[in-house]
Amino acid sequence: SQQGEEDPQALSIQEGENATMNCSYKTSINNLQWYRQNSGRGLVHLILIRSNEREKHSGRLRVTLDTSKKSSSLLITASRAADTASYFCATDLTGGGNKLTFGTGTQLKVEL
Amino acid sequence: GAVVSQHPSRVICKSGTSVKIECRSLDFQATTMFWYRQFPKQSLMLMATSNEGSKATYEQGVEKDKFLINHASLTLSTLTVTSAHPEDSSFYICSASAGGFAYEQYFGPGTRLTVT
Repeated sequence: SQQGEEDPQALSIQEGENATMNCSYKTSINNLQWYRQNSGRGLVHLILIRSNEREKHSGRLRVTLDTSKKSSSLLITASRAADTASYFCATDLTGGGNKLTFGTGTQLKVEL
Repeated sequence: GAVVSQHPSRVICKSGTSVKIECRSLDFQATTMFWYRQFPKQSLMLMATSNEGSKATYEQGVEKDKFLINHASLTLSTLTVTSAHPEDSSFYICSASAGGFAYEQYFGPGTRLTVT
């Protein structure tokens, strides 16, 4: 299976703290994307990082990519209760025809 | 941003019947649409890739005769679950891409299928 692994599977933090999620994958990629999913809802695209990029920022989100280790991390700073959701990484594999392979996901709970 | 809709959002059907789910790109032309299924508390698994005007490409282990996909126009793809069984109960999500060098896929809100 090409499915990526994410850790932790579940993360519970207090509002205001930072949350870090990690994603590992197995083969060469064109890009890696992070998505958010609220319970029972569709996916919201958060950020895309290309294989030749090492770090990207968007608001309170910071994504890093280490292609030598085949891993990425998503950092959410100053978390809010509204950030409670599942977060998935997805890889666009080289030669994959733009298909996305999703990671196992991290369930984040931000408590007041 | 680009909007993708799905209809219906929820459907309950009896075992043995067929169910059609629609996926529409509302404000762009989607040369490629993707269909995923997601079981509770699990990740999304790609079922098939649908290109407008051609046959869908199914992932390994997905029965093409059971999950019929039609991408008849640049804004509409349909997934029909034929002779549905309780084990087909799942959350089905589509996404759409404008293709070319547009990497981003835009996801629909999903359809919850329950087969009784």
